Amino acid sequence: QSVLTQPPSASGTPGQRVTISCAGSSSNIGGNFVYWYQQLPGTAPKVLIYKNNQRPSGVPDRFSGSKSGTSASLAISGLRSEDEADYYCSAWDDSLSGVVFGGGTKLTVL
Amino acid sequence: QVQLVESGGGLVKPGGSLRLSCAASGFTFTDYYMSWIRQAPGKGLEWVAYISPSGGIIYDADSVKGRFSISRDNAKKTVYLQMNSLRVDDTAVYYCARGGDWLDPWGQGALVTVSS
Repeated sequence: QSVLTQPPSASGTPGQRVTISCAGSSSNIGGNFVYWYQQLPGTAPKVLIYKNNQRPSGVPDRFSGSKSGTSASLAISGLRSEDEADYYCSAWDDSLSGVVFGGGTKLTVL
Repeated sequence: QVQLVESGGGLVKPGGSLRLSCAASGFTFTDYYMSWIRQAPGKGLEWVAYISPSGGIIYDADSVKGRFSISRDNAKKTVYLQMNSLRVDDTAVYYCARGGDWLDPWGQGALVTVSS
């Protein structure tokens, strides 16, 4: 049971917009930054969004992050086949004094 | 370019010990927190531990507390994870990453298999 709650799966067709939610609490998302990671099959995770809504250089602007209260979401617009991957949200948790991750969302491009 | 390379993984029996290393290059090592994260086969990510630039601040997950310890050698630009009293459920790919909460980049991972 992960501290942050994500849907286990999401899907969309090429060109569509999909969103992935991440629910937490006041001790994590509510008071700290949210990060999103993409893990392509067989590879290490890489950061997609940092500090709630910032994109590292090289990440397409099709990816965007937002946060409201104790929840966050990742939006992917103009879905492409190469977006098929696992996506994880994370945040620092003040009560646990550690980083917490969501359980991950497997995105399928139909 | 920024690079992290893990080493030291392998097969170990339950109750055994292993030390993972993560060699860093391409950035000022002493400016950054460093972290270990693991991923059991077919499962999600689990944060394990992090260490401050000086080594004076360490946090670790309850699941490994008292068994694993993180350390760093700034002269060698290397972070370590000493794993003792290993259990079958510690089997995972172990990643090191630059940063504390903002983890970027990640190494390629080291597979640790705990089995009799």
